[in-house]
Amino acid sequence: DTGVSQNPRHKITKRGQNVTFRCDPISEHNRLYWYRQTLGQGPEFLTYFQNEAQLEKSRLLSDRFSAERPKGSFSTLEIQRTEQGDSAMYLCASSSGPVDLNTEAFFGQGTRLTVV
Amino acid sequence: EDKVVQSPLSLVVHEGDTVTLNCSYEVTNFRSLLWYKQEKKAPTFLFMLTSSGIEKKSGRLSSILDKKELFSILNITATQTGDSAVYLCAVAPKVDSSYKLIFGSGTRLLVRP
Repeated sequence: DTGVSQNPRHKITKRGQNVTFRCDPISEHNRLYWYRQTLGQGPEFLTYFQNEAQLEKSRLLSDRFSAERPKGSFSTLEIQRTEQGDSAMYLCASSSGPVDLNTEAFFGQGTRLTVV
Repeated sequence: EDKVVQSPLSLVVHEGDTVTLNCSYEVTNFRSLLWYKQEKKAPTFLFMLTSSGIEKKSGRLSSILDKKELFSILNITATQTGDSAVYLCAVAPKVDSSYKLIFGSGTRLLVRP
């Protein structure tokens, strides 16, 4: 499969626990994005990597959230001390270049997090 | 604050009907507007619009952008049950060249047989 891959697909955790999600972008895509989507809403931007450098973080990304892309390939998103409000679909996307007429961002299937 | 507003929030039609989905935006430094279809999980790309008045077309789907009035429409003709999905509109600001997209809440389309 050459698409964006996310694992796990579903995660149920107790409040206060830490969780980590993984995203494998399309090969050779140097740009990687994390979004969060709650029920009935569109995705909200969380953070963006170009290669291994994290270039931007949304104010939605509290200090409990951390994202890494250590070798410029896969990325992980960790949430510490989860809260019920963290329950959402976490989407990863990758692109080979900037927003222009010749590139597009491809989204993964997402990881659905439920905090109980 | 940058925002994207879609209407209607939901729509129920019968197969063969034509639908028009609306997207208005208020974004500083506009770069482009994108439409996505989200059936179950991953949003899939439909169109990217950067210039006013130029219609993009793909089969039964078409879209156009009005940068003066700050809106876009997505038309689907001869709808099929497979068109049932959430249609998302997103704007890419010209802050940098990243895919930091601002999404609307989506329009949920249900096409009945």
